[in-house]
Amino acid sequence: RKEVEQDPGPFNVPEGATVAFNCTYSNSASQSFFWYRQDCRKEPKLLMSVYSSGNEDGRFTAQLNRASQYISLLIRDSKLSDSATYLCVVTAGSSNTGKLIFGQGTTLQVKP
Amino acid sequence: DTEVTQTPKHLVMGMTNKKSLKCEQHMGHRAMYWYKQKAKKPPELMFVYSYEKLSINESVPSRFSPECPNSSLLNLHLHALQPEDSALYLCASSLAGQGLRDEQFFGPGTRLTVL
Repeated sequence: RKEVEQDPGPFNVPEGATVAFNCTYSNSASQSFFWYRQDCRKEPKLLMSVYSSGNEDGRFTAQLNRASQYISLLIRDSKLSDSATYLCVVTAGSSNTGKLIFGQGTTLQVKP
Repeated sequence: DTEVTQTPKHLVMGMTNKKSLKCEQHMGHRAMYWYKQKAKKPPELMFVYSYEKLSINESVPSRFSPECPNSSLLNLHLHALQPEDSALYLCASSLAGQGLRDEQFFGPGTRLTVL
């Protein structure tokens, strides 16, 4: 079983749609959780950290369920510029090494 | 300023060459990272420096040699690489490499081709 699992997609949605990505992680000791987005041939950019209480940043909402070891990202009112690969990222267990575990990424294509 | 810079942007080298990749950040971060990313795959961690000391080496072949001259700079020295080492090499930095929500910020990467 992969340490961080995501549906690779692609998710093809029209502009204005709401889309949700899910992610599960295997290590219950993981402490920090993030969503990064990566455009083609560019570096990953931090989209948002994911907090236990859930958090929102504009059109983006992230949720964490520690009991189910499940993370989600909801994008409302999709824009063409949201087309990218979304990486679910967790820290490697409880040790504070800075080591991150990346999911394989979910590809989103927003169409006009 | 959440900026990590990397040079060069592109590098083509032969299997007998020696070259170096450079990374710089001026955010006061004390942890710096090297990742390797192949097409359509997520980044793979190679090395972590924390407070200028190597804290993680993910069993990387010795033809890759990291160096952290000071808290703002990170180098990756390359020697006798193989064609399969061709990839995007990403540098990242974070506040301290420890603690909750220690967010990592990535540089634009060096796209390396080994002939």
